[in-house]
Amino acid sequence: SQKIEQNSEALNIQEGKTATLTCNYTNYSPAYLQWYRQDPGRGPVFLLLIRENEKEKRKERLKVTFDTTLKQSLFHITASQPADSATYLCALVLYNFNKFYFGSGTKLNVKP
Amino acid sequence: GAVVSQHPSRVICKSGTSVKIECRSLDFQATTMFWYRQFPKKSLMLMATSNEGSKATYEQGVEKDKFLINHASLTLSTLTVTSAHPEDSSFYICSARGASPAETQYFGPGTRLLVL
Repeated sequence: SQKIEQNSEALNIQEGKTATLTCNYTNYSPAYLQWYRQDPGRGPVFLLLIRENEKEKRKERLKVTFDTTLKQSLFHITASQPADSATYLCALVLYNFNKFYFGSGTKLNVKP
Repeated sequence: GAVVSQHPSRVICKSGTSVKIECRSLDFQATTMFWYRQFPKKSLMLMATSNEGSKATYEQGVEKDKFLINHASLTLSTLTVTSAHPEDSSFYICSARGASPAETQYFGPGTRLLVL
């Protein structure tokens, strides 16, 4: 069966450190992988997209890697801040863009 | 950036009544809109995909007669929960996708439905 797995346990880190979140998937061949931020009671906000032929993507303090052999994406936030505290979701997008499959998200807590 | 609104943000209704949720793309034309449902600490579950002017495509296990979707224009889609029951209580989120880039969808702020 198809699965997208994100660490269900909250990740607690100290301000200034790098947060690393993991997204593993099985039985998918995604064209893209996306990362979203979701705050409580709000809709997800798009952060980054990485294509299957890209190894790494950066945007300001964010970095995403995509390993199609391991079927894994890593999402890094460098110099983390308390304002980065939120739930982060990964989503797989198939080639026709008609479906987006979401992981259950990992809650990040950045402590001052 | 692209903005998607949802109305209402919260609704409380009695069991047996119907509830309509609107999803609007404010500054772009949405060729496709998606409706999701999310339970606490759970992933977004895709309910249906709708394209303007055509019938929605429902995911397996989602009752089309229960969750009526209308995509009347390129900026508006509605989800009607018919004869709502307490088990329909959830967080409903819509998203919209324009023609380009096709791989990006923009989410609305969500609607919290509580059925008593």
